[in-house]
Amino acid sequence: EVQLVQSGAEVKKPGESLRISCQGSGYSFTTYWISWVRQIPGKGLEWMGTIDPDDSYTNYSPSSQGHVTISADKSVSTAYLQWSSLKTSDTAIYYCARHQRSVAPFDCWGQGTLVTVSS
Amino acid sequence: DIQMTQSPSSLSASVGDRVTITCQASQDISNYLNWYQQKPGKAPNLLIYDASNLETGVPSRFSGSGSGTDFTFTISSLQPEDIATYYCQQYDDIPLTFGGGTKVEIK
Repeated sequence: EVQLVQSGAEVKKPGESLRISCQGSGYSFTTYWISWVRQIPGKGLEWMGTIDPDDSYTNYSPSSQGHVTISADKSVSTAYLQWSSLKTSDTAIYYCARHQRSVAPFDCWGQGTLVTVSS
Repeated sequence: DIQMTQSPSSLSASVGDRVTITCQASQDISNYLNWYQQKPGKAPNLLIYDASNLETGVPSRFSGSGSGTDFTFTISSLQPEDIATYYCQQYDDIPLTFGGGTKVEIK
């Protein structure tokens, strides 16, 4: 069974760092790209960026560029989303999703990771 | 960025009704348009890709049509388990963008 399993919910303070993860299983991890999608609770979906786990090539949305880092470790079939300094406005649910090419339908999604940033 | 305008933002219909949602792109995106269903508390799920292709395992009451800038998503006979928010998404150009969503409720 194809699955993307994300790390658990996090509660952080402004200015703290954080890395959340997304582990793929049931398929060849390096043959699909991984995107990260953000959703403020009760609101819509926002694409943040994508990575090719085979060579770690990344592409970011303008609003995410410089604020988050997307990475991957193909040896453990895991993609990551990282912040060096969180803001309260980063409070959201973060989903990872796989797709066959750099731009393609998202055919499998992780279960989501709730990140709460509060002082 | 390509803007995706989805309407209506919410709708209420009876079981068995035909439900239609529209999505308009701010520029020509050919058929690079997907539809996702998101049930409360769950991750989105791909229903339709390339504007009109039904994802494997998705019931045939769901369908999509359109090309260029104007797209339509239809549920031919609304079922109780279809209660969800539906999103369109373009993948013609980066940044990938989603419509604002349509919340479907049972009347």
